[in-house]
Amino acid sequence: DSGVTQTPKHLITATGQRVTLRCSPRSGDLSVYWYQQSLDQGLQFLIHYYNGEERAKGNILERFSAQQFPDLHSELNLSSLELGDSALYFCASSVGPSGVDTQYFGPGTRLTVL
Amino acid sequence: GEDVEQSLFLSVREGDSSVINCTYTDSSSTYLYWYKQEPGAGLQLLTYIFSNMDMKQDQRLTVLLNKKDKHLSLRIADTQTGDSAIYFCAEREENSASKIIFGSGTRLSIRP
Repeated sequence: DSGVTQTPKHLITATGQRVTLRCSPRSGDLSVYWYQQSLDQGLQFLIHYYNGEERAKGNILERFSAQQFPDLHSELNLSSLELGDSALYFCASSVGPSGVDTQYFGPGTRLTVL
Repeated sequence: GEDVEQSLFLSVREGDSSVINCTYTDSSSTYLYWYKQEPGAGLQLLTYIFSNMDMKQDQRLTVLLNKKDKHLSLRIADTQTGDSAIYFCAEREENSASKIIFGSGTRLSIRP
């Protein structure tokens, strides 16, 4: 158990809908990262927050957004969902803002868009 | 751009050593990681190595880094059925606070 929790574990929804994925980092970690894992794209970095502020953006679509709250949990919002958004979405956390720290991954949320 | 490559499959006999290989393109990579993903589970950090090291050993795991050839390997000694999983190699650039580039993963299967 990495100490990172994600909810829900599974999510099934229809095209055009909007969903919110939630992540709680390990106790003491200030950074939260979001990743998408799909069969055709592999694992891709989406976005990184540190202590409530956005630090870096990766291959995140404009239909997707995220935020980190004062209690350090984070939410990833996916809107206007398409079939191709079906994937495993991972959250990871680390202590600090930089590349010195190792990222610990949560169990993931499996999103299925029908 | 950055790229990390791994072979997709590896099959070994139980008790033998497994060697999973990875190549990367970014010469400014500072940290190189090995993650394990079991079926239906998230990524588990197995080990990591700094780019100024050649080797790191941790119990049954040995990581070898050839920086000149940009080649990373993970050796699992005395492979057990519980080692069946997908193993991801990943790199982090020196100047990137966040971005980890993952390989496509190597599926390790164990034969009795």
